[in-house]
Amino acid sequence: GAVVSQHPSRVICKSGTSVKIECRSLDFQATTMFWYRQFPKQSLMLMATSNEGSKATYEQGVEKDKFLINHASLTLSTLTVTSAHPEDSSFYICSAREMAASYEQYFGPGTRLTVT
Amino acid sequence: QKEVEQDPGPLSVPEGAIVSLNCTYSNSAFQYFMWYRQYSRKGPELLMYTYSSGNKEDGRFTAQVDKSSKYISLFIRDSQPSDSATYLCAMESNFGNEKLTFGTGTRLTIIP
Repeated sequence: GAVVSQHPSRVICKSGTSVKIECRSLDFQATTMFWYRQFPKQSLMLMATSNEGSKATYEQGVEKDKFLINHASLTLSTLTVTSAHPEDSSFYICSAREMAASYEQYFGPGTRLTVT
Repeated sequence: QKEVEQDPGPLSVPEGAIVSLNCTYSNSAFQYFMWYRQYSRKGPELLMYTYSSGNKEDGRFTAQVDKSSKYISLFIRDSQPSDSATYLCAMESNFGNEKLTFGTGTRLTIIP
């Protein structure tokens, strides 16, 4: 089956620093990737939709200048949390949809971000 | 009111029991319904996918959709300890073009 990887799996950073999270589709091309955030015991909240070669579409309430998304190729999207604060600590999960029409989103294993 | 409501549980059942998980929704435009399983600190994986109303069976899992009641269910037969996870329902209005809207997830524990 299709595999999506994320790196790093866990990161701890100091308040005020920036953190980059990578999302890769390993065995398929993904024109669309999605970034979610999940707080403990809560559902996945879509942050933004990333299309290769174009600007990401952010959900209401998500600061695009704080959460920078780059989808430079058909297999890689990155999320950069800029000037991180403790309230940004969360589980960040990406997903990817295959280029061919498909209902299924393949999810990465997630990245646990802790901001101290 | 949330677009998708799901009882967060936790739900504990003995091994071998039939598990029933449910979601209700308010958006009548939803046509595609999914169930995802998420183990602790992992990404979700797709279990079942259903279009419009009806039933779908895959091994021990059965998904039901009742669009008239805006109610979907996932049944797990002969539950196993390995089924212990959080189960999230998700819905989409237009195939491949719209975002998924997730329920909060139900935390399920199967007791050996």
